Parts: sequence; C-alpha cells; structure tokens
Amino acid sequence: AQKVTQAQTEISVVEKEDVTLDCVYETRDTTYYLFWYKQPPSGELVFLIRRNSFDEQNEISGRYSWNFQKSTSSFNFTITASQVVDSAVYFCALSDYFQGAQKLVFGQGTRLTINP
Amino acid sequence: DGGITQSPKYLFRKEGQNVTLSCEQNLNHDAMYWYRQDPGQGLRLIYYSQIVNDFQKGDIAEGYSVSREKKESFPLTVTSAQKNPTAFYLCASSLLRGQLNTEAFFGQGTRLTVV
Repeated sequence: AQKVTQAQTEISVVEKEDVTLDCVYETRDTTYYLFWYKQPPSGELVFLIRRNSFDEQNEISGRYSWNFQKSTSSFNFTITASQVVDSAVYFCALSDYFQGAQKLVFGQGTRLTINP
Repeated sequence: DGGITQSPKYLFRKEGQNVTLSCEQNLNHDAMYWYRQDPGQGLRLIYYSQIVNDFQKGDIAEGYSVSREKKESFPLTVTSAQKNPTAFYLCASSLLRGQLNTEAFFGQGTRLTVV
C-alpha cells in the first residue's frame, strides 16, 4: 500500500529564515508521481510541483526548492528566506503514475507559521 | 477566469438530513474528484469520475453519493447514512492526457457542520 509521512506537524520560524518540510513515502510501484500542495487559510489546495519517479533532479523555483531522493524515499521541500505569506499548511502527496490524480495519497500535512 | 467553484462555503445540516454540495469547473477537465479533510489529517478520496455518467468509489465512499450528468458538474450528496459528516470537503479536477492524469486543481472547499 502507498503511504506518505510528514513527520513535522507544525513548524514555526521567524521571517527570512530558511525552512525545510520533510516528506517520506512508501510505494511498491517503480513508476509514480510525487506532489506538493499548499493550503492557505482560504482553504483551497494550490498545486506547487509534480515530479515523476524517473527524474531525480532537484528543482528550484524562486525561493522554493525540492530535493527528491529515491534512495531514501524522500521528497523534501525547502523555502529560502521565508516570508509571512508562506504561512500555510503544506501537503505532500503520492500517486500511481498512470492513474495520477485519481489515486492521490496525502500526508497529514505540515502547518508552517512564519512570524514577522 | 477558469477554475473550480464550490458552493456553499459553509453548510449546516441537521442529523438525519441529506445535503448536496455543489462543484462546477470551467477548465474543460475530464476527471473530477471529491476529497474529505478532517482536522490535522490529510485528504481522503470519497469518489472520482473520469467521464460523464461514470464514477468510482474512493477510499471512504460509504454514506456519500455522486452524479456526473455534465462534464462541468460533480455534485456530492452527504446522506444520513454518513455517521460523522462534519468535515471540510474539497472538489478537484484534472486533465486526462492519453493514459495519464495530470495534477489536480482544487476548489475552495465547503465546510459542513452537523448541528
């Protein structure tokens, strides 16, 4: 069975600090997708990134970066120079490669609070 | 603007009543989904549909029903058989490209409370 674990329930940092959100996953599939979503106080989930299991290259998008390591089954998310607007709940998710979104398995989420 | 619209934002239900949550998308996405979110937990899949007039049960379908009469619409009915319906409900949609589903895009959610 697929499983996603986000061990950090809550993280609180001061603005401008760097912060890393951990995600560890379990799957027997050799091909799969990993996702990160942001849930601001308004409630909707905002898509941040999708990675497939074939591509272990790290990705950087502005202040956001992702570190995918198949050897440790981890897909960690780092925010550099955090800002108050980054405060949200962040979810890591895993899906079967072909069934994609319809088989998303979510972690429990990490509540990130950025204090001014 | 394209997006997913859920209504109402807040919904109160008396015990024993059925209620229907609305979800409409104008993204021309093929697939639509309903997820349930409980406090401090991740999302769990209730139902999903890849095509009009067809849908499948997710992990926690008991006490829920859906219909997909139009591509744009995927309403969820929470029936009286759902023993613990108080939760945050999120609707999502995704595009099918051949055999692959793209990432899901979510609505703003409906918070259902049983009173």
